[in-house]
Amino acid sequence: GESVGLHLPTLSVQEGDNSIINCAYSNSASDYFIWYKQESGKGPQFIIDIRSNMDKRQGQRVTVLLNKTVKHLSLQIAATQPGDSAVYFCAEFGSSSASKIIFGSGTRLSIRP
Amino acid sequence: NAGVTQTPKFRILKIGQSMTLQCTQDMNHNYMYWYRQDPGMGLKLIYYSVGAGITDKGEVPNGYNVSRSTTEDFPLRLELAAPSQTSVYFCAASPTNEKLFFGSGTQLSVL
Repeated sequence: GESVGLHLPTLSVQEGDNSIINCAYSNSASDYFIWYKQESGKGPQFIIDIRSNMDKRQGQRVTVLLNKTVKHLSLQIAATQPGDSAVYFCAEFGSSSASKIIFGSGTRLSIRP
Repeated sequence: NAGVTQTPKFRILKIGQSMTLQCTQDMNHNYMYWYRQDPGMGLKLIYYSVGAGITDKGEVPNGYNVSRSTTEDFPLRLELAAPSQTSVYFCAASPTNEKLFFGSGTQLSVL
C-alpha cells in the first residue's frame, strides 16, 4: 500500500507470478484515478486509468480494481516480468482543478528471478 | 514526437544562485505542471498552467516562479536557491487535466 516517508513499501514477486499493488486514496469525492509506473531515473509513465463509475478496467497484462466503499484502488500485473521492476503509484483526481490531483508515494516492485 | 522535454537533467547549485529549469512539449496540450519529488514522497505541485498566459500556484510555490508565454514552453525559475530545494523536478502536460504526461525530470542539488 501507499505510505508517507523515506521508506517506500516494497513488494517482492517471483518472475512469472502475479503482482498486486494497493493504494488507499483519501478523497471520497475523487472520480478519476491513474496508475503510474516510475523506473529509476525516469519520469512517471501512464499505465492505466479508471473512472469512479467503473469498478474494474483491464489493459494489457494489467487490471485496475476500484472499491469506492473503502476508498481502495489496486493494480494487478499478470505474469510479472523483470521489466516490471519500478515504483508504482496512484493518482486521484478530485475535481477539475489541477491543484486537486493527489499522488501517492508509491510501492517499489522488485522481481525475483 | 518527443512529448515533454526537460533540460537540464542534472544541476548542482550553490546556495543563493538562481537558475531556470526548461520544459517544452510538442503535443499542443493546454495544461502544464511543475512537480517536485522528494525521496520516498509523492509528487508535490509547485505551479500549473491551464493555457498560455495563465499560471496558478500549487501546493508548494514558495521560492519558485513560472511563466507561460507560449503553449509549448513552461519554464520554472528558482531565485536564491536553498538546500530545501534539493529535489527531482518533473514537468508534465495534459490535454484535459486528467491523463498527465511527464518529462524525464531534472535532478537538482543545492549545496
